[in-house]
This record gives sequence, C-alpha cells and structure tokens, in this order.
Amino acid sequence: AQSVSQHNHHVILSEAASLELGCNYSYGGTVNLFWYVQYPGQHLQLLLKYFSGDPLVKGIKGFEAEFIKSKFSFNLRKPSVQWSDTAEYFCAVGSGGYQKVTFGTGTKLQVIP
Amino acid sequence: DAGVTQSPTHLIKTRGQQVTLRCSPKSGHDTVSWYQQALGQGPQFIFQYYEEEERQRGNFPDRFSGHQFPNYSSELNVNALLLGDSALYLCASSYREEAFFGQGTRLTVV
Repeated sequence: AQSVSQHNHHVILSEAASLELGCNYSYGGTVNLFWYVQYPGQHLQLLLKYFSGDPLVKGIKGFEAEFIKSKFSFNLRKPSVQWSDTAEYFCAVGSGGYQKVTFGTGTKLQVIP
Repeated sequence: DAGVTQSPTHLIKTRGQQVTLRCSPKSGHDTVSWYQQALGQGPQFIFQYYEEEERQRGNFPDRFSGHQFPNYSSELNVNALLLGDSALYLCASSYREEAFFGQGTRLTVV
C-alpha cells in the first residue's frame, strides 16, 4: 500500500523567505508524484507533477520539487514566498498516472506580509 | 474555473438516509475519481471510474458506490449514512497526464 508523509503541519514565513516543504512516500512500484495547493475557499489545484524524466520538476507560480528516489522524497521549494502563497499544500502519490492517488495530511502555509 | 462541476454544493442529511452526489468532468476527460476530505485531513481516495466501470477502489465500505455514464459524468452514492460520513466530497476528472478537481460537495450528516 502506498502512503505519504508530510513533515510540517503548519509553517509560518515572512514574505521573501525561502520555502521548503517535506514529503516522503512509501510505495514499492513506479510512482507518480504530485503537489497540490488549496487556497482558502477554492478547489484543489495541481502545482506540479512528476511522471518520469528530469527529477527536478518546475511548476506554476515559481514552485519546484525534486524527486530523490533513494530518499523516497519529493520536497516542494520556492525561493521567495509571497503573501498570496498562503494556502494548504498537499503532497500526493499515485500509481499508473492518476489511479488511486494517496494524499498526505497537508501543510498549512501562512505568509506574513 | 476548474471545469469540473459538482452538485449540490452543500447538503444536510439525517443518519440512516441515502445520498447521491453528482460530478460532470472537464470536457475531454474520460476518468472520474472520488475523494472524501474530512476536516483537517487530506483527501482520501474512494474509487475511480473509467469506461463506465470501477477501475480502482480505496478502503471504503460497500455503502459507498458509484456509477459513470456514457457521457463520462459520475455519481457517488452513500447508503445508511453515519455521522462520520460528514466531509467534503471531491470529484477529480483526468485524461492522460491532466487532472482537475471540482469545488466539492459539503455533506453534513446530523
């Protein structure tokens, strides 16, 4: 069975600070990895995904994530956060594309102006 | 606009009742997945429909069932509602490497 662990439940940063959110997964086969964001009152949106190829994945709004297979990790990074990045971030793992995607419990990010 | 439409947006039901939630996928998407998101938790996979058949299923009891129609829209049915079924129910449609979520249906069981 696949599982996802997000290390931080709540992160508070000042604007312009750098962000790194941890994500580790457990799965025995070929994985597809995702980061989703949920802004207050809005639906889940895909930030970025890894299916294959370059393990450094660039997503929307300046976010990127690095797939490190040996560490079973897929950490999310952004060099300089903005107040508008305040949201909840979910790491997720799937097998065979979007089949049976398992989500982590989420990290609430609060960016202080 | 995600392109995935769910109805209704909010619903209140009594314990023991049955409920049907509906999802219209984004145009061109042929796969629909359903998730349950309890308060403070990440979405949990219920099941996925492709070509009108249940392709994958998560760890949910048989009280949760679904259907996909020829136009790819889908329904989620929950029988014998329990208080613990109160949650946000999300539908996601996908096609190859693209997937979108709907806004969800907030179900409250009293």
